[in-house]
Amino acid sequence: TQLLEQSPQFLSIQEGENLTVYCNSSSVFSSLQWYRQEPGEGPVLLVTVVTGGEVKKLKRLTFQFGDARKDSSLHITAAQPGDTGLYLCAGGSSNTGKLIFGQGTTLQVKP
Amino acid sequence: NAGVTQTPKFRVLKTGQSMTLLCAQDMNHEYMYWYRQDPGMGLRLIHYSVGEGTTAKGEVPDGYNVSRLKKQNFLLGLESAAPSQTSVYFCASSYPGHGYTFGSGTRLTVV
Repeated sequence: TQLLEQSPQFLSIQEGENLTVYCNSSSVFSSLQWYRQEPGEGPVLLVTVVTGGEVKKLKRLTFQFGDARKDSSLHITAAQPGDTGLYLCAGGSSNTGKLIFGQGTTLQVKP
Repeated sequence: NAGVTQTPKFRVLKTGQSMTLLCAQDMNHEYMYWYRQDPGMGLRLIHYSVGEGTTAKGEVPDGYNVSRLKKQNFLLGLESAAPSQTSVYFCASSYPGHGYTFGSGTRLTVV
């Protein structure tokens, strides 16, 4: 059974601080995706990484896929209250399109 | 653009009752999925479909059935609801190997 462990589960920080969320597994994935979910809504795709060592930037968000394609990180620079939400990582299988999701990291950014 | 539409948005069932959740997508996606989301457990895959007329079991299929008679629709059925099925249910669709588009969810309470 493939598992994805996210850490930390909860994070409460002040506006302007930096943070990193980790997503780890003992399994190799063909792709790793990050989603952001707001209360009462479905998750929304932020990024997909497919190559070991790949780094993608989305404004103040930086995503990295581990060299062995077993782990990933999300780094947010100068967090803002609008970044508040649940962040989910998900590992993909190329055969079925199925995604295995981590438990999520709840981020609260205080003004 | 409608994307993925789930109906109903909220439902309260009595133990033993049955119901069907409807998911409709207008993006011509091949793959469709049903997940449930529970606190601290992330998203868990119930059933999925890689094409019209095909379905497969996910991680937590017991107590649920699905059908995909048309490419754009994926139905999730609960034959005899149990309190353990109280959850938020999300439908998603995708092209093979691409990120998911999620619906806004159905909040189900079984009393």
